[in-house]
Amino acid sequence: GDSVTQMEGPVTLSEEAFLTINCTYTATGYPSLFWYVQYPGEGLQLLLKATKADDKGSNKGFEATYRKETTSFHLEKGSVQVSDSAVYFCALMGRGATNKLIFGTGTLLAVQP
Amino acid sequence: GAVVSQHPSRVICKSGTSVKIECRSLDFQATTMFWYRQFPKQSLMLMATSNEGSKATYEQGVEKDKFLINHASLTLSTLTVTSAHPEDSSFYICSASGTGFNNSPLHFGNGTRLTVT
Repeated sequence: GDSVTQMEGPVTLSEEAFLTINCTYTATGYPSLFWYVQYPGEGLQLLLKATKADDKGSNKGFEATYRKETTSFHLEKGSVQVSDSAVYFCALMGRGATNKLIFGTGTLLAVQP
Repeated sequence: GAVVSQHPSRVICKSGTSVKIECRSLDFQATTMFWYRQFPKQSLMLMATSNEGSKATYEQGVEKDKFLINHASLTLSTLTVTSAHPEDSSFYICSASGTGFNNSPLHFGNGTRLTVT
């Protein structure tokens, strides 16, 4: 079945450092791909998405490119801030699925001042 | 934008009692709602999918008699944890999608922290 694999955390960075969180997927067909962010004690918020190969999703300085050849959707940010500290989830939604999301295990990001 | 409201945000109950969690779509009609459970430092596990007016579809390993889901209207779904036990303590999150939301991101509630003592 469809699945998502994320790099394990926690990821600890200093402010203004470059961030990469790896995400790869397994799916039949061409799923839509998402990154969600969860701040402490809160629900999930959509960070960005891409619906077809070579699409780049971006929001709040974060970017991720849908790479079909490597089945990847890595999250990047050029300069992280303390306020970016959160858990980040990669997720996919298969074509024709009833909006059912499959999540990766999440990666905790801790940014230190 | 679309908003999903989940209530309560936190609940503490005694072992053996039942707890009801509500999930409401505030500005759209949610034809489908999803219930997730999140264990500490782990990902979200889909528990069940409910469509308005029909029985919920439960994921493998989820006890349907323990986790009762009702989706009686296009704006409200409820999850009732029956005869709760300490191992049911977890973070429960709902999400909702409506007509025209194909391949669009689901909207999530802020979650309910359940503690069973």
